[in-house]
Amino acid sequence: NAGVTQTPKFQVLKTGQSMTLQCAQDMNHEYMSWYRQDPGMGLRLIHYSVGAGITDQGEVPNGYNVSRSTTEDFPLRLLSAAPSQTSVYFCASSRTGGASYGYTFGSGTRLTVV
Amino acid sequence: DAKTTQPPSMDCAEGRAANLPCNHSTISGNEYVYWYRQIHSQGPQYIIHGLKNNETNEMASLIITEDRKSSTLILPHATLRDTAVYYCIGHGSARQLTFGSGTQLTVLP
Repeated sequence: NAGVTQTPKFQVLKTGQSMTLQCAQDMNHEYMSWYRQDPGMGLRLIHYSVGAGITDQGEVPNGYNVSRSTTEDFPLRLLSAAPSQTSVYFCASSRTGGASYGYTFGSGTRLTVV
Repeated sequence: DAKTTQPPSMDCAEGRAANLPCNHSTISGNEYVYWYRQIHSQGPQYIIHGLKNNETNEMASLIITEDRKSSTLILPHATLRDTAVYYCIGHGSARQLTFGSGTQLTVLP
């Protein structure tokens, strides 16, 4: 039982490049989400999904796209990377996303945009 | 979700109990109190949660005051591996967790 798996663990991009951060969970959780964490700060929600085919924006969605075609996968796309997107990205899943169940986080993707 | 207030840092001797306080005076009746920790930039790890009653699991105990305006996370026998940032979060109907600054707990040998 792997939990939440994020790939890659590290990535360096040039400004303007695009890439996709992968997130997969094997717990049959309906809810998945993406957070970013900047140095010395708490996590901020980018996008989330409450089930396949359903996504919504979080606190800091600009510059990121998501889709949810399966229950297991929730990729995060950067269309045109900017230095301001240098951060650590965490994917999290939960049975429902609501208050009754805890969230399981992945180990993170450390992204640097130069 | 409720705003929470935690001390920025605490120290604890190895083997002793670590008691981490959290104020959540604006918490509403349907909001749970959650605790997560983050060890050195790893992904946050769920510890425990509760609504009204005190809770205990294999990692920690959670004591919630009767008026639900504050709570304490207790790590009964702290080890060096418990050094982390601990987040107290009020979680209700929102489909997200709102992270504050947390408490940096340092367990000293």
